[in-house]
Amino acid sequence: DIQMTQSPSSLSASVGDRVTITCRASQGISNSLAWYQQKPGKAPKLLLYAASRLESGVPSRFSGSGSGTDYTLTISSLQPEDFATYYCQQYYSTPTFGQGTKVEIK
Amino acid sequence: EVQLVQSGAEVKKPGESLKISCKGSGYSFTSYWIGWVRQMPGKGLEWMGIIYPGDSDTRYSPSFQGQVTISADKSISTAYLQWSSLKASDTAMYYCARHPATVTTFDYFDYWGQGTLVTVSS
Repeated sequence: DIQMTQSPSSLSASVGDRVTITCRASQGISNSLAWYQQKPGKAPKLLLYAASRLESGVPSRFSGSGSGTDYTLTISSLQPEDFATYYCQQYYSTPTFGQGTKVEIK
Repeated sequence: EVQLVQSGAEVKKPGESLKISCKGSGYSFTSYWIGWVRQMPGKGLEWMGIIYPGDSDTRYSPSFQGQVTISADKSISTAYLQWSSLKASDTAMYYCARHPATVTTFDYFDYWGQGTLVTVSS
């Protein structure tokens, strides 16, 4: 299995902050990476796929980048509705998720 | 509108069997892979496996192979996740989710069901 390691596991930030979450794969995954947002009691929601492609309807303050084994999700200006847990998922081979990053209000 | 509607919460005893369902609508059910994701209480997401309803081709995560069975009935646009003998450690929220329209077997999930909570307790 390809292991996905997210960092940090949690962070505190304020509205308007720029937030960056990192996901590292145990081997190269050729941009086969998606990012999801999950709010308490809700199903995950797709934000980005193919490392940097924004899903339809997702605000442009969300962006993704990376290559090889290292990928990043950036929220350019954190909004109140963005406080949630974020997961990366590789689909280069049998899919696996990162352990999640909880974004909390500072 | 694409929708995945899952069956309701279940409370079972250890050793019992269970089959939960996920009904797809608003798209061609037989043309998209559909999968299952586990989320144990307070924990992260775990990819369990997927099925292509058109021909019932099924793939499992090594962690779940032999532990669950994924199936589908294309006549009623419904996918299933079943256990033959539940354990307390199967207590979790289970989500079904659909792949986008691509030709690859492994992919991300673009639409998700609302989740089915399974509680296994004596």
